[in-house]
Amino acid sequence: RKEVEQDPGPFNVPEGATVAFNCTYSNSASQSFFWYRQDCRKEPKLLMSVYSSGNEDGRFTAQLNRASQYISLLIRDSKLSDSATYLCVVNRGAGGTSYGKLTFGQGTILTVHP
Amino acid sequence: GAGVSQTPSNKVTEKGKYVELRCDPISGHTALYWYRQSLGQGPEFLIYFQGTGAADDSGLPNDRFFAVRPEGSVSTLKIQRTERGDSAVYLCASSSGLHRSTDTQYFGPGTRLTVL
Repeated sequence: RKEVEQDPGPFNVPEGATVAFNCTYSNSASQSFFWYRQDCRKEPKLLMSVYSSGNEDGRFTAQLNRASQYISLLIRDSKLSDSATYLCVVNRGAGGTSYGKLTFGQGTILTVHP
Repeated sequence: GAGVSQTPSNKVTEKGKYVELRCDPISGHTALYWYRQSLGQGPEFLIYFQGTGAADDSGLPNDRFFAVRPEGSVSTLKIQRTERGDSAVYLCASSSGLHRSTDTQYFGPGTRLTVL
C-alpha cells in the first residue's frame, strides 16, 4: 500500500463548479500535511498547509481528520486557471532523521473547462 | 529574491554514462532536498541535507546514486552507470531549516534526464 493515496482523476469540471479531492495516508505518526499544486511540466508549488482545525484560503478549504488519516481539499467557484495537478503531501515530521522528508501522493488531475 | 535553480534543464545521455545534476538553493536556506518524479507520479524523496551533511539518504535507490553539498549551499546529484530506468525529472527543493517538519519547501524547475 502506498503511504499517501489519492484518486488520480482526471476531474473535468465546468467553470464555477465546486470540486473536492480526497487523500488518505498510512503512517499515523505523520505530523504535517500540505496540498501542492503542479502545472504541466512545472515544479510543485505549495498551495496550502492543512491544519487539524481545518483552514480556508479564499476559494480553497482544506480539512484533516487524524482519526481516519484523511485529508481533503475543496475548491469552490472553479476558474480555468485552477487546471493543474493537485498533490497531497505528508511530512512524517518529529523524530529521527525523517524531518523534512515529504511523501507525495500520485496527484489528482483537474481540468476546468469553459 | 532568486528561487531555486537547477542545471541543466534537460540532459540526454546514453546508457552507462555518468551524469551530474546541479542545484542552487535559495540563499540562506540550510535544508536542501532531492526528489525524483516519473511520468504520472508524484515526486519521490531521494536525499535531504541539513548544512553540509546528508541527514537522510534513505531514498537513494542504489549505490549508483550519490549527492554532495560540500559548502552547505550548492548541491550536486551524481548518477553513475546510468540506466534507462533512471529517466525522470530530478527536482531539488530548499527550505529555511528552522522548523523542519513545517517549513515550506521551494522547488526548482527540475532537470529532465533521459537515458537512451
